Amino acid sequence: EVQLVESGGGLVQPGRSMKLSCAASGFTFNNYDMAWVCQAPKKGLEWVATISYDGSSTYYRDSVKGRFTISRDNAKSTLYLQMDSLRSEDTATYYCARILPQTRLYGSYYFDYWGQGVMVTVSS
Amino acid sequence: DIQMTQSPASLSASLGETVSIECLASEDIYSNLAWYQQKPGKSPQLLIYYASSLQDGVPSRFSGSESGTQYSLEINSLQPEDEGDYFCQQSYKFPLTFGSGTKLEIK
Repeated sequence: EVQLVESGGGLVQPGRSMKLSCAASGFTFNNYDMAWVCQAPKKGLEWVATISYDGSSTYYRDSVKGRFTISRDNAKSTLYLQMDSLRSEDTATYYCARILPQTRLYGSYYFDYWGQGVMVTVSS
Repeated sequence: DIQMTQSPASLSASLGETVSIECLASEDIYSNLAWYQQKPGKSPQLLIYYASSLQDGVPSRFSGSESGTQYSLEINSLQPEDEGDYFCQQSYKFPLTFGSGTKLEIK
């Protein structure tokens, strides 16, 4: 059974840092591209970042470029999101998501499994 | 960025009815569209990808179609478990963008 379990969220002051982790199990982690998607309270979904299966390629939305870093440790089957210079508008539930592999081959990114999400609140 | 304009924002329908949700892309996305269902307090679930391909395990009463830059999700024979929020997502180019969502209530 595919499982994605996020951790590391909580309350943080504006300007500070936080690191999220996503422990993966039930599939061969190093064969899959992965992503982070967030959802502000009572709002819609927003893609944050994507990383290739081997970590060689990363993509970010403009609002987090230079502040957030997506990374992975394939030996530990774990995905990370380092969030620096946090702002109040980063407050959201952050989901770790797996990229559907058969479409990734053709350059399309769809999310076939999601974690339960972890809440990040940026407030003084 | 590609804007995905989703409608309606909410709808209410009865058991057994058929409903349709639309997403209009701000430019051609060449069928690179997915639909997700999110039940209250839960993570999103992939329903449809490539505009009309049904994800494994998703009931066949869900279907997707397209006409130009307009994409539709149709749900036939509504069931109680279909209540929730529905989102479209384009995957044609970065940044990946979602529609604003449709809240479906089952009467």
